[in-house]
Amino acid sequence: IAGITQAPTSQILAAGRRMTLRCTQDMRHNAMYWYRQDLGLGLRLIHYSNTAGTTGKGEVPDGYSVSRANTDDFPLTLASAVPSQTSVYFCASSDSTSGSDTGELFFGEGSRLTVL
Amino acid sequence: GQNIDQPTEMTATEGAIVQINCTYQTSGFNGLFWYQQHAGEAPTFLSYNVLDGLEEKGRFSSFLSRSKGYSYLLLKELQMKDSASYLCAVVDSNYQLIWGAGTKLIIKP
Repeated sequence: IAGITQAPTSQILAAGRRMTLRCTQDMRHNAMYWYRQDLGLGLRLIHYSNTAGTTGKGEVPDGYSVSRANTDDFPLTLASAVPSQTSVYFCASSDSTSGSDTGELFFGEGSRLTVL
Repeated sequence: GQNIDQPTEMTATEGAIVQINCTYQTSGFNGLFWYQQHAGEAPTFLSYNVLDGLEEKGRFSSFLSRSKGYSYLLLKELQMKDSASYLCAVVDSNYQLIWGAGTKLIIKP
């Protein structure tokens, strides 16, 4: 089934540890995004990539890094996790050819991360 | 600052009609999305409006008034499976998506 796959689906992590959330899409979409979703708040953009080889900072990038070595993969790394990074993380992609956010977003199933 | 306002929670009865409102104040406007998100699941696309007026898609319709900074999602013939959160998101002048916090819709039999 075509779509976006995220791993892990759930993880409990000790503060200070390094963690990478994986995201793979098979739709050949140019643009990919990482969001976090917290209760009572809208989805907040962490980082994005308009095309392979390029990345950009979103609204809440501090403490996170990304890479886009190829079209399909867009991993998100927490270099040294802190409790405030406890959240549900969603990876998304869109078939955006201009880099604009006017295309429908396709979301992965989410990764629930708890930092203790 | 940029702001998207939606009611936090709404309750409706199975078979009825419900209207979920979204008001926005953003730097520019390049379209508005509605997404549905069931508990514990990913958001899924419902509709996109960029021009004023009503877009109908089966039991769901979405309305936009750019001059009023206002949109609504209309759900007809409500079914229990419509219990979900409904997210409003606006594309601003920089083509960035600004998300509302979502409206949790509870359907009662």
